[in-house]
Parts: sequence; C-alpha cells; structure tokens
Amino acid sequence: NAGVTQTPKFQVLKTGQSMTLQCAQDMNHNSMYWYRQDPGMGLRLIYYSASEGTTDKGEVPNGYNVSRLNKREFSLRLESAAPSQTSVYFCASRSGNTGELFFGEGSRLTVL
Amino acid sequence: GIQVEQSPPDLILQEGANSTLRCNFSDSVNNLQWFHQNPWGQLINLFYIPSGTKQNGRLSATTVATERYSLLYISSSQTTDSGVYFCAAHETGGTSYGKLTFGQGTILTVHP
Repeated sequence: NAGVTQTPKFQVLKTGQSMTLQCAQDMNHNSMYWYRQDPGMGLRLIYYSASEGTTDKGEVPNGYNVSRLNKREFSLRLESAAPSQTSVYFCASRSGNTGELFFGEGSRLTVL
Repeated sequence: GIQVEQSPPDLILQEGANSTLRCNFSDSVNNLQWFHQNPWGQLINLFYIPSGTKQNGRLSATTVATERYSLLYISSSQTTDSGVYFCAAHETGGTSYGKLTFGQGTILTVHP
C-alpha cells in the first residue's frame, strides 16, 4: 500500500521556469491538499480539492495552479518560478471516514 | 481561522527522560492530529485524537477539547525520537474540506 506518492523528490529550477509537482493517492480519498513548509514554520495550505473536479485556494495560493485530474491525482503547477517558492512541498489526502490526514514524503524545490 | 500554539519551541533531553509537549488551539476544532517529522523530513502520523487519551508504545496523547488543548507524552525517550513534533487542528464551521492548521512545532533533541 503506497499511500500518498509525490514526484519528483528533488528539483532545481531557474527563476521563470515552470514545473509540475505530481501527487497520487491509492486510498480512495476524496479530499487532497498541497502544503508548503518553510524553515522555522509549520505547514501552510496552498490549495485543496474537496472532491474530484473541485479545487479551492488555501492560505498561500499566489503563484500556483492546481489540477485535480481524477480521484487519485492532484498536481501543483508553478508557471513562472520565483526564489520565494523555494520550499518543501507536501501533498496529503484525507480520510472521509475519520478525517485523518496522510502525507506524502515531500518534494524539495529550489529556485535559483 | 483558528490559531494553534505549541510549547515549548525547543526541548533537549537525555536518553531515558520523559517529556510533555503542549498544543493550545484558539477555537472549536473537530479534531486534532499529532505528527512527528523525522530528520529526513518525513511526516509521520502519531495520533488522531478528537478527545480523550490514546497510547501507542512509549507515546500517548490526551486532548481536552472543551479546554482547547492537547498534550503529547513521550516516555523513556530515545535518540530516534528526535525531530519536530507538530500538532494540527481540523477547523469546524461547516467546511467540508477539513482544513488543517498547523502549530509551529516543537524541536526535540534527544542526546545519548
């Protein structure tokens, strides 16, 4: 049981480049989330998707777009990367039965 | 949104010592989770605990929702317990996506 899988694990970009972080879960959860974690801070919500076909902004959505491709997959796109987007990104999915959140292993992004 | 505060911010222990980490939240929450982020950055679910007390080996947690706090107890600490401990609260208020707000974390260092 893989749980929540994120790719890539590491990425280095130049300012202005674009990229997509991929996330997939195999737990049949409806809700999925993207968080970022910066040094000395907890996790901050970027975007979430309560169900397939819906997405909503979290605390820090600027500079990001998301796509809920199907029930399993939720991708995060940086259209024009900026150094302020250097961070560790976590995808998560939420059990509809218990409300418990499960996280992927994180993707470390550096924007030069 | 709700505020989640953790204390202490840093904690240094000798192996074998016991400790208590605290999480206060500002408003009604419909659930609370404790996570351990290990030195490799992985977020590991410890407890999903809306109220009452749960135990898992050397770790236990208690949430008193009416008084808006949760406690994480670590007994007979080991070096592998080192890392950052986060609590995160699920907000109430009719939202269906279960937004999870994180505290700033407690950095635990256990020395041999």
